[in-house]
Amino acid sequence: QVQVVESGGGVVQPGTSLRLSCAASGFTFSNYGMHWVRQAPGKGLEWVAGISFDRSHKDYADSGKGRFTISRDNSKNTLFLQMNSLSSEDTAVYYCAKDSRYCSISSCYPAYYMDVWGRGTSVTVS
Amino acid sequence: QSVLTQPPSVSGAPGQRVTISCTGSSSNIGAGYDVHWYQQFPGTAPKLLIHNNINRPSGVPDRFSGSKSATSASLAISGLQAEDEADYYCQSYDNTLSGSVFGGGTKVTVL
Repeated sequence: QVQVVESGGGVVQPGTSLRLSCAASGFTFSNYGMHWVRQAPGKGLEWVAGISFDRSHKDYADSGKGRFTISRDNSKNTLFLQMNSLSSEDTAVYYCAKDSRYCSISSCYPAYYMDVWGRGTSVTVS
Repeated sequence: QSVLTQPPSVSGAPGQRVTISCTGSSSNIGAGYDVHWYQQFPGTAPKLLIHNNINRPSGVPDRFSGSKSATSASLAISGLQAEDEADYYCQSYDNTLSGSVFGGGTKVTVL
């Protein structure tokens, strides 16, 4: 069963840091790009960051540039999001999502759409 | 304000056809990037509904269809059913922002 499961959310104070994790199973994690998408309470979806299958390429939304770092450990099938200098505007449910494109060569670029989503982990900055 | 613009809500009676528009610009849809659609029920994760403008993943009813033109795209739901009541989001890539962008979402209400 293909799935991703997020963890690491919680209630934190403004200005502090938090590290989210996403455990993947049921697919060859090392062959797919991955993304973080968030949703503030009562609001729409916001793409946060994406990383290529081999970590060679990372992109960030303007809201997280300089504060958020996306990374992955292919040996542990795990995706991470390090979030620093958190503010109330970062309060949201954070979803981990699998990119749809299978990659095996270095020139392969993520498709930038997500075919598998986790249930999300809640982050409250207050 | 979202980079992709969707109407906040649409509604229709059971059996009717509704469409949701998604308007972008020359740096995303107009640049040739594909549009994807997601369905989300309250309290649950989004689900991929349409990818690459017109393609339905396995298991998605053929009542759902997508189209794209110039700087916009549309999602159509034919034969509207009560179970289609949900939020729908369009998504594409933006080369100015160098990342993915979503529409603000559209709430579909079945009357």
